[in-house]
Amino acid sequence: DAKTTQPTSMDCAEGRAANLPCNHSTISGNEYVYWYRQIHSQGPQYIIHGLKNNETNEMASLIITEDRKSSTLILPHATLRDTAVYYCIVRDTQGGSEKLVFGKGTKLTVNP
Amino acid sequence: GAVVSQHPSRVICKSGTSVKIECRSLDFQATTMFWYRQFPKQSLMLMATSNEGSKATYEQGVEKDKFLINHASLTLSTLTVTSAHPEDSSFYICSALQANAGNTIYFGEGSWLTVV
Repeated sequence: DAKTTQPTSMDCAEGRAANLPCNHSTISGNEYVYWYRQIHSQGPQYIIHGLKNNETNEMASLIITEDRKSSTLILPHATLRDTAVYYCIVRDTQGGSEKLVFGKGTKLTVNP
Repeated sequence: GAVVSQHPSRVICKSGTSVKIECRSLDFQATTMFWYRQFPKQSLMLMATSNEGSKATYEQGVEKDKFLINHASLTLSTLTVTSAHPEDSSFYICSALQANAGNTIYFGEGSWLTVV
C-alpha cells in the first residue's frame, strides 16, 4: 500500500507556481521521498527526490518539513505541459525493497 | 536523466497467442528492473521485480506462468504475456534502477497491449 496521501486534484494558472503537497506521516529514517509525474499515455517521469534537506533541480524544488512527515513539490513557473498526474512516493533504498509503490497521485491541471 | 526504452509501443494480438515486450536501459546497466500494469484511469500496479540472472519476484496475485519475465542481461528485460485474453489488454510499463547515490528508478515509455 502507498504510504503517502495527496490531494486528488489541483488547478494552477499558467506562469504561476504550482505547490503540490504530500503527507507521509509514517516515513522511516531510511526512506527517501520521490516525486514522479505521468503525462497521459506515457511512462512516469522522474522529477526529484530527497531525504531530509530541501532539493532543487532544473524541473522543480522539493521542500521537506523538519519532522519529515510532509513535503511539497514546487513547480516555479507552471506551463501547460506540466499538466499531469504527480506521484509522491516514499522508498527505502538501503536494504529494504527497492520498488516504487504508486498511490493515486494528484492530477494537476495547468490552465491558460 | 537515464533512458529506458520499451518495444513495441503498441501491439495488437489475438486471443490465445503470446506477446513479448522488451525493456532496455540504453545508457546504464540495470541489475534490477520492474514491470507495472496500468488500466485506464487507475494508478500503476507493480507486477514483478526482475533481477539480472535470477528469477523474478512476483507481487501477490500476479500469475508467474502467465507473465513470464526474463532478465538475461544488464540492459534487457522482457515480459511475455502468454495465452493472452482480452482482459490482459492494458498499458504495460517497465522501469530500471540506476545504481547511484540515489538509486533512482527510470521508466520506459510504456507499451499498449490490445488483445482481440
